[in-house]
Amino acid sequence: DAKTTQPNSMESNEEEPVHLPCNHSTISGTDYIHWYRQLPSQGPEYVIHGLTSNVNNRMASLAIAEDRKSSTLILHRATLRDAAVYYCILRDVGGELTGANNLFFGTGTRLTVIP
Amino acid sequence: GAGVSQSPRYKVTKRGQDVALRCDPISGHVSLYWYRQALGQGPEFLTYFNYEAQQDKSGLPNDRFSAERPEGSISTLTIQRTEQRDSAMYRCASSLGGNQPQHFGDGTRLSIL
Repeated sequence: DAKTTQPNSMESNEEEPVHLPCNHSTISGTDYIHWYRQLPSQGPEYVIHGLTSNVNNRMASLAIAEDRKSSTLILHRATLRDAAVYYCILRDVGGELTGANNLFFGTGTRLTVIP
Repeated sequence: GAGVSQSPRYKVTKRGQDVALRCDPISGHVSLYWYRQALGQGPEFLTYFNYEAQQDKSGLPNDRFSAERPEGSISTLTIQRTEQRDSAMYRCASSLGGNQPQHFGDGTRLSIL
């Protein structure tokens, strides 16, 4: 599986936007970019995913570079509840057929939100 | 609606005992995954089912670990002859299909004395 690189930690002030970067220089053409987050003492939670175009949902936005070698998860207005570890994960769209369908989490970015 | 349910929430047992961890996925979810998470680390894949078929067990660390999902719904992860290094949070996730978002349970924290 292609791997991702994320900063170990980031800080943001409450009610300000947060841009969480992810590098995936070895991404293949069939890899989707997925983001999950894990709040303290909870299981991981799906945030968003995309292939080539930027994506928006009620939780966040995902900006994907034109060459797909990097992406940015955008939280438009950080709240204290957004403090979590954020994981950027690549998933092969053909994984369901090959059986290679697990998520490789890595260590993620720990986001601290300052009141 | 109900999410992924795991039981027990906590399990403390002596080294050498067998343990069985249960996962009840979201109703209708075809795919079911088991992960193990050490403190301060991200979840690590163990095994994955589509319906009752075990599609990938490459993450199971050794032959003391096994999993089943006999009727394509509830799954059991069994660890035989437990060792202290097996202590971790064990997480189950389910999804509508292989490429759909995974929904995680609250996990079972296993402690081996």
